[in-house]
Amino acid sequence: DAKTTQPNSMESNEEEPVHLPCNHSTISGTDYIHWYRQLPSQGPEYVIHGLTSNVNNRMASLAIAEDRKSSTLILHRATLRDAAVYYCILRKGGADGLTFGKGTHLIIQP
Amino acid sequence: DTAVSQTPKYLVTQMGNDKSIKCEQNLGHDTMYWYKQDSKKFLKIMFSYNNKELIINETVPNRFSPKSPDKAHLNLHINSLELGDSAVYFCASSRRGEARYTQYFGPGTRLTVL
Repeated sequence: DAKTTQPNSMESNEEEPVHLPCNHSTISGTDYIHWYRQLPSQGPEYVIHGLTSNVNNRMASLAIAEDRKSSTLILHRATLRDAAVYYCILRKGGADGLTFGKGTHLIIQP
Repeated sequence: DTAVSQTPKYLVTQMGNDKSIKCEQNLGHDTMYWYKQDSKKFLKIMFSYNNKELIINETVPNRFSPKSPDKAHLNLHINSLELGDSAVYFCASSRRGEARYTQYFGPGTRLTVL
C-alpha cells in the first residue's frame, strides 16, 4: 500500500486558517485520499475525501496537487474544538479497511 | 440517537478470561468493522463484515472472533485474554459501494487485561 507522511504536530491560533499537509509520493491512480480526525477520547471522524479534484464540504477543504503526490487539508477558521489528531489515508478503489498512520496532532491556541 | 454505539465503554478483566464487546449501528449500513488502537495510538483494522460475511481479517489471532446476529450488530468475542490485548477497540460502519469510503466510528471500548 502507498504510504503517507504527515508532520507529527502543528500549532495554530483560534479563528485562523489551518493548512495540514500530507505527502503521498507513491500514490497510484486508483488511490483515494481520505482525511479523518480523532478528537481526544473519541472514535475517528470522517472529514473529507477526494481523488483528483479539490473538494469542499461543511467541515473543510481538500486541495490535491496536480501530480497527486501531496494534498492539504484546509480548516478555514479553526476553533478549539478542532484540536485533534488528523489522519491522511490512502484507499484503493475496492478496499474496505482504513490504514491509519501516526497522523498530525493539531493544537489550537486560544 | 447515537449512530454507532458500543458496550461496555470500559472493560477490566483478568488474563485468560473470555469477554465480548457489543456494537450496534442505527444508520442502516451494510458493512461493519472492528479496529484496535494500541498504547502507541496506532489504529489497525481487524475485521469487516458485509451481509454476514467476513471480508477482511488482518492477521488477527483466532482468539478474536466477530459475530453478527444481524446487519445492525457486530460483536467482538475474545477468548483467553492476554496482556497484549489491552487496547481501545472501535467499531465502525459504512454503506457499500462508493459510500464505503465514509466510515462512522463508535466511541470505543477500553479493554484492560490484568
